[in-house]
Amino acid sequence: DTEVTQTPKHLVMGMTNKKSLKCEQHMGHRAMYWYKQKAKKPPELMFVYSYEKLSINESVPSRFSPECPNSSLLNLHLHALQPEDSALYLCASSSVSQGFQPQHFGDGTRLSIL
Amino acid sequence: QKEVEQNSGPLSVPEGAIASLNCTYSDRGSQSFFWYRQYSGKSPELIMSIYSNGDKEDGRFTAQLNKASQYVSLLIRDSQPSDSATYLCAVNQNNAGNMLTFGGGTRLMVKP
Repeated sequence: DTEVTQTPKHLVMGMTNKKSLKCEQHMGHRAMYWYKQKAKKPPELMFVYSYEKLSINESVPSRFSPECPNSSLLNLHLHALQPEDSALYLCASSSVSQGFQPQHFGDGTRLSIL
Repeated sequence: QKEVEQNSGPLSVPEGAIASLNCTYSDRGSQSFFWYRQYSGKSPELIMSIYSNGDKEDGRFTAQLNKASQYVSLLIRDSQPSDSATYLCAVNQNNAGNMLTFGGGTRLMVKP
């Protein structure tokens, strides 16, 4: 079990659906991340939140909309996705104390777009 | 583009042998280095962090960092079939804030 919890574990949705992925951590971390990972590829950074503010958006299409309601929660709202968006979506968190701190990943949400 | 490079493998070793995984990086100013293990269909799991030149040991794992040569390696002693996974090298490049750059990963197969 990881200390970063993601729900749901699996999600199948049509291209016209709206859904949300959720991530929660209780480690007191103030940086949270969304990654997308395709098979046999490394994780690809999508968004970074630092102190609940969006600090990095890696040119992600607007059909992905992140939200950080508080320091423990991170959401990723999905709308009008394409089949190529099918992937493992990973949430991670890290401390932002002195020096660079490692990121800890949740178990991921496996997303399939029909 | 600043890069992190790994041999994709598969690296095949017999059970009980030492597995040696290597990673090179292009940004000389990089300060922090991490090894993640990822089983098929699962999420990456942090197994080692290293910040200064030399060796860092944790159980059967040893991370080695050589900033002058810009490489970081992971040694797994007494390899077990359960070590079979993809190992991702990740680097926090200089002035990259909270961002990590991942290598493509090396697939390790430990044969009984």
